[in-house]
Amino acid sequence: GDSVTQMEGPVTLSEEAFLTINCTYTATGYPSLFWYVQYPGEGLQLLLKATKADDKGSNKGFEATYRKETTSFHLEKGSVQVSDSAVYFCALTRNTGGFKTIFGAGTRLFVKA
Amino acid sequence: DTEVTQTPKHLVMGMTNKKSLKCEQHMGHRAMYWYKQKAKKPPELMFVYSYEKLSINESVPSRFSPECPNSSLLNLHLHALQPEDSALYLCASSQAGQGNSPLHFGNGTRLTVT
Repeated sequence: GDSVTQMEGPVTLSEEAFLTINCTYTATGYPSLFWYVQYPGEGLQLLLKATKADDKGSNKGFEATYRKETTSFHLEKGSVQVSDSAVYFCALTRNTGGFKTIFGAGTRLFVKA
Repeated sequence: DTEVTQTPKHLVMGMTNKKSLKCEQHMGHRAMYWYKQKAKKPPELMFVYSYEKLSINESVPSRFSPECPNSSLLNLHLHALQPEDSALYLCASSQAGQGNSPLHFGNGTRLTVT
């Protein structure tokens, strides 16, 4: 079945450091890929998405590129801020058959001032 | 501000109580979802409504009973819960039938079963 694998956390960085959170997926067909972020005490929010191969999603300085050849959708940010501390979930949704969203386990990010 | 509103924010209930969680959205979305999230885990899908009809039930125990009275509202009725049902319950909505439509989540109801 479909699945999403994320790097284990927590990830601890200093402010202005470069961030990469790895995400790989297994799915038949051509799913849409998403990164969601969850701040403490809140629900998940869409951070960015990509719906076909080679698409790049971007938002708030975060980027991820849909790589079909490596089945990956790694999240990157050039300079993190304390306010980026949150849990990040990689997810996929198939474009047929029920449209269920499959989430990765989540990666907790701590950014120190 | 989230566009999906959930009430109450917190709920404490005994194992013999009956309570309901409520969710409302006004984005015109025709797919609505209930998720359960335990601490440090991703959300787990419970139910999906599409065009006000139940389309997915992920083998959820019958002590959880969903209801979709109209296209904007989603309820989750709770009865005879167990302590292990304590979790954050998230409602979400999206455009129906489109895999590229992201989920819009509410901030959840933190449920404690005593």
